[in-house]
Amino acid sequence: GAVVSQHPSRVICKSGTSVKIECRSLDFQATTMFWYRQFPKQSLMLMATSNEGSKATYEQGVEKDKFLINHASLTLSTLTVTSAHPEDSSFYICSAEATSGGALSEQYFGPGTRLTVT
Amino acid sequence: GEDVEQSLFLSVREGDSSVINCTYTDSSSTYLYWYKQEPGAGLQLLTYIFSNMDMKQDQRLTVLLNKKDKHLSLRIADTQTGDSAIYFCAEVPERSSNTGKLIFGQGTTLQVKP
Repeated sequence: GAVVSQHPSRVICKSGTSVKIECRSLDFQATTMFWYRQFPKQSLMLMATSNEGSKATYEQGVEKDKFLINHASLTLSTLTVTSAHPEDSSFYICSAEATSGGALSEQYFGPGTRLTVT
Repeated sequence: GEDVEQSLFLSVREGDSSVINCTYTDSSSTYLYWYKQEPGAGLQLLTYIFSNMDMKQDQRLTVLLNKKDKHLSLRIADTQTGDSAIYFCAEVPERSSNTGKLIFGQGTTLQVKP
């Protein structure tokens, strides 16, 4: 089956530093990747949609200068949390869409990255 | 209001059937999805149903869709302790059909007691 990895799985950083999270589709090409944020016991909140070779589309209320997304290849998207603050602590999950176009959205999710900002 | 709504918690005994319910607002969604999330992990696609179907069965999972009432349910037969997780229903609303953006419900925590 389609596998999506994320790295790192956990990261602790100091306030004010930047953290990069990688999302890779291991056995398929993903023209579209999605980045979500999940707070404890809550649903997933879509942050942005990332298309290979173009600028990411951010959801309303998400600061694009704070959450930098780069989708440099068909198998890799990165999310960089810049100047992280404690309120950025969360569980970040990416997904990769295996097929482009059509009504069926086959998204495969990474295992998530737990970010803790101290 | 929210596009997708679920009850937050369900507790069953091992061996019983579990039924997780979901309501949605966009009747034009072509597919509806069920995802499972185990603690500290990402989401696993369990199954999906095409909107012109009433039912889909896949081993222990049965999905029922009532388009008139915009109601989706997931039935897990012979529930096992390994089924304990959070279950999310999701749709891609018509307004997002060209982007594939999933809208998730709040998630239903399924607790299976031995």
